[in-house]
Amino acid sequence: DAGVIQSPRHEVTEMGQEVTLRCKPISGHDYLFWYRQTMMRGLELLIYFNNNVPIDDSGMPEDRFSAKMPNASFSTLKIQPSEPRDSAVYFCASSLFGAGTGELFFGEGSRLTVL
Amino acid sequence: AQSVTQPDIHITVSEGASLELRCNYSYGATPYLFWYVQSPGQGLQLLLKYFSGDTLVQGIKGFEAEFKRSQSSFNLRKPSVHWSDAAEYLCAVGGVEYGNKLVFGAGTILRVKS
Repeated sequence: DAGVIQSPRHEVTEMGQEVTLRCKPISGHDYLFWYRQTMMRGLELLIYFNNNVPIDDSGMPEDRFSAKMPNASFSTLKIQPSEPRDSAVYFCASSLFGAGTGELFFGEGSRLTVL
Repeated sequence: AQSVTQPDIHITVSEGASLELRCNYSYGATPYLFWYVQSPGQGLQLLLKYFSGDTLVQGIKGFEAEFKRSQSSFNLRKPSVHWSDAAEYLCAVGGVEYGNKLVFGAGTILRVKS
C-alpha cells in the first residue's frame, strides 16, 4: 500500500513567491494533518481536517498560510507570500482516527527553503 | 506551558549497550502516549503507543516503554542498541485533554558509536 505522498520533496524559492505543498493521504483515512518542523520550535501542528473539513487551524501562523482539502485524496498547504522564516520541513500525516487516539502515518516531508 | 518534555537533546551510546530515553508530560488524567522515530530525511514512524492497561508496552524494533503515572513519565527503552537505531526519537501525548491533538516533545537525537 502506498503511504502518505507529499510533493515536492524539496522547494527553494525567493521571498515573496507563492509556495504550494501537496499531500495525498492514505486511502480510507478520515483525518489529515499538516505539521511544520524547525530546529527552534520542533514539530508543530498547523491544521487538521476531518472528512475534508478543517477542524482546527489554530496552529496556522499567519494569514499568509492557507490549507485546503477539496476531496478525500488531496490536500494543499499554500504560503503566499513566502518569507525566509517559513523555511522548514512541512509534514503531512493521515489517520484513521483522531490524532489524539490513533496512529498517524507521516509522509516524507517537503523541505522548504525561502531565500 | 510545555506539554511534553524530553530533557536530553542528544544521547550517545555504544552499540550493544542499553538505552533509555526520557519523556515527561505536563498534565492529563488519561493521556494517550506515543513514541515516534524519525530517520534523517524521512517522515516519522510510530514505535509504540499506550492508551490503557498494562503500563509496559512493547513496540517495533525491540523497543519498549513504561508508563509511570506517579512520575508523569513514559520512558523508552531498548536492552541492546544497534547502529541502525541512530535517529531522532520523539515522544508525543494526545487524548481528550489535549484537544484530540498530538503534541510532540522536542525530540532526542540518538547517536550510536561502534
